[in-house]
Amino acid sequence: AQTVTQSQPEMSVQEAETVTLSCTYDTSESDYYLFWYKQPPSRQMILVIRQEAYKQQNATENRFSVNFQKAAKSFSLKISDSQLGDAAMYFCACGAGSYQLTFGKGTKLSVIP
Amino acid sequence: GAVVSQHPSWVICKSGTSVKIECRSLDFQATTMFWYRQFPKQSLMLMATSNEGSKATYEQGVEKDKFLINHASLTLSTLTVTSAHPEDSSFYICSARGGGNPMNTEAFFGQGTRLTVV
Repeated sequence: AQTVTQSQPEMSVQEAETVTLSCTYDTSESDYYLFWYKQPPSRQMILVIRQEAYKQQNATENRFSVNFQKAAKSFSLKISDSQLGDAAMYFCACGAGSYQLTFGKGTKLSVIP
Repeated sequence: GAVVSQHPSWVICKSGTSVKIECRSLDFQATTMFWYRQFPKQSLMLMATSNEGSKATYEQGVEKDKFLINHASLTLSTLTVTSAHPEDSSFYICSARGGGNPMNTEAFFGQGTRLTVV
């Protein structure tokens, strides 16, 4: 079983600035993977970035990068050069085994023009 | 990425009736499908996991006789909410994963279905 904690219910960032969303997790699995999903007002879940736990190198996808600290069980998301379209709910998730995902409670990100 | 289509996107039904929600993988074979429920401003909670041709595995606290899940083919899973009540009103989301190592395969999400029971 996994638990995922997002301690920031809401965050805001100025357009073009950088913001970091926090996530901590706990799992008894040795092989697992971590995700950040974006859920805009349309409610469609969009995969932002994923990280395999066995990989030490932090994943990056264009303006999105993670800081994966395995020992600390921390998995934060950094969004650089924030854009208005980045405004959404962001969910951190942990998965193992058959790919059941456990989600955090989410962080609502607002982007200020 | 692969496409998962969920239908309907929204539905309103009368209390006591049943509602069926479909989840289709359009361009891949989904060996495993997941059904989630999301209350307003809350996270996604896994309801059940279904593998093609097998009975669904329900999470603790989810009534299997109320939320009937069928995964009869590799491209279609259905969730039927039986004898719906207002407290069943929620946003239901499916996701689908193809075969292979779970560590290397992504799960794709449908658009979700907003169910309102009146």
